Amino acid sequence: KNEVEQSPQNLTAQEGEFITINCSYSVGISALHWLQQHPGGGIVSLFMLSSGKKKHGRLIATINIQEKHSSLHITASHPRDSAVYICAGDQGGSEKLVFGKGTKLTVNP
Amino acid sequence: EADIYQTPRYLVIGTGKKITLECSQTMGHDKMYWYQQDPGMELHLIHYSYGVNSTEKGDLSSESTVSRIRTEHFPLTLESARPSHTSQYLCASSDQRASSYNEQFFGPGTRLTVL
Repeated sequence: KNEVEQSPQNLTAQEGEFITINCSYSVGISALHWLQQHPGGGIVSLFMLSSGKKKHGRLIATINIQEKHSSLHITASHPRDSAVYICAGDQGGSEKLVFGKGTKLTVNP
Repeated sequence: EADIYQTPRYLVIGTGKKITLECSQTMGHDKMYWYQQDPGMELHLIHYSYGVNSTEKGDLSSESTVSRIRTEHFPLTLESARPSHTSQYLCASSDQRASSYNEQFFGPGTRLTVL
């Protein structure tokens, strides 16, 4: 069974801190999606990556295929980054996504 | 910005009522999904569709039903709402033709409360 494990489950940081959220996945998953869900409930896709590294503003996502591990980094964190961050494994083809349980991030001013 | 819409955004309704949650997308995506999410919990897939007249049940058993008569429209119906149906319902779509991967675009969600 394909699985995705996220850590930590909860994370509290001070504004300006560098943040890392981790995601490990099992064999059969060939790409990772990072999603952001704000308290209002809507979900936004941040990154999809199957290799290497992607950067968008203060957000950086990396993936190590050999180790089956991905990280989401937030530099110079801000209270508006407070949200739940979800990683989802993509099995490719027409298969469904496999979701992690999410990491709740709170950034205090 | 994704063009996927859900109505209503919030719904409070009494037990036994029939409800339909609407989901529409203007991107021409072939695949559409319904997820159920309880507060603080993970997403659970309850229905999906690979195209017109195609619907499948997801990983989480649900008493709801769906239809896909038009590409852009994927409504979810509960024939008789119960308090156990109280949850947030999120609709998503993806374009399998554009990529071998499954990047999904999400609607804003419908928060359903059944009294």
